[in-house]
Amino acid sequence: DTAVSQTPKYLVTQMGNDKSIKCEQNLGHDTMYWYKQDSKKFLKIMFSYNNKELIINETVPNRFSPKSPDKAHLNLHINSLELGDSAVYFCASSVESIEETQYFGPGTRLLVL
Amino acid sequence: DQQVKQNSPSLSVQEGRISILNCDYTNSMFDYFLWYKKYPAEGPTFLISISSIKDKNEDGRFTVFLNKSAKHLSLHIVPSQPGDSAVYFCAASGVWTDKLIFGTGTRLQVFP
Repeated sequence: DTAVSQTPKYLVTQMGNDKSIKCEQNLGHDTMYWYKQDSKKFLKIMFSYNNKELIINETVPNRFSPKSPDKAHLNLHINSLELGDSAVYFCASSVESIEETQYFGPGTRLLVL
Repeated sequence: DQQVKQNSPSLSVQEGRISILNCDYTNSMFDYFLWYKKYPAEGPTFLISISSIKDKNEDGRFTVFLNKSAKHLSLHIVPSQPGDSAVYFCAASGVWTDKLIFGTGTRLQVFP
């Protein structure tokens, strides 16, 4: 059984489009995260939600908007995609807080043309 | 199925001693391995990496060892310092993908 899943795994799209990446965890965790991995494999946290409530919102463009319909899901919607948005996006979850062990999803490779 | 495993969720070490964090992987096609360090309320930051053509990489107090036959890597921190207290993630990738596959992390606590 997959603990943290993301869809799609690969996403190729044109500049200016709007796209969403979905994340689901079946671990019963209260907290979920979105990370962006850049070309040098550095990870940057983007957002964190605890039980559907936003608790971390790093400096990311307003074009990125997380949506948490319930505590098992944290979706990432991106408006007006730009070339620089091309990256791998990871979803993760933890029992409650960011200090704890995090379970990472498989990542979504986004390529903006 | 977890392809990258860190079987010890936590480790406690005295200041000045060696910390050894372990990581096992199942896919022999992985050819690049990384260690990330994560402080509370922050995302993971890159610490050190190793390519599969090497069996050791050293950077200051941090050394990563790779045993390909055992599909095992370890991170050694010598000497350990209180500021090293954090969660350490092991990650792996292969030539067929630029994605990282993460372990679940090991919490290191260095006490005086």
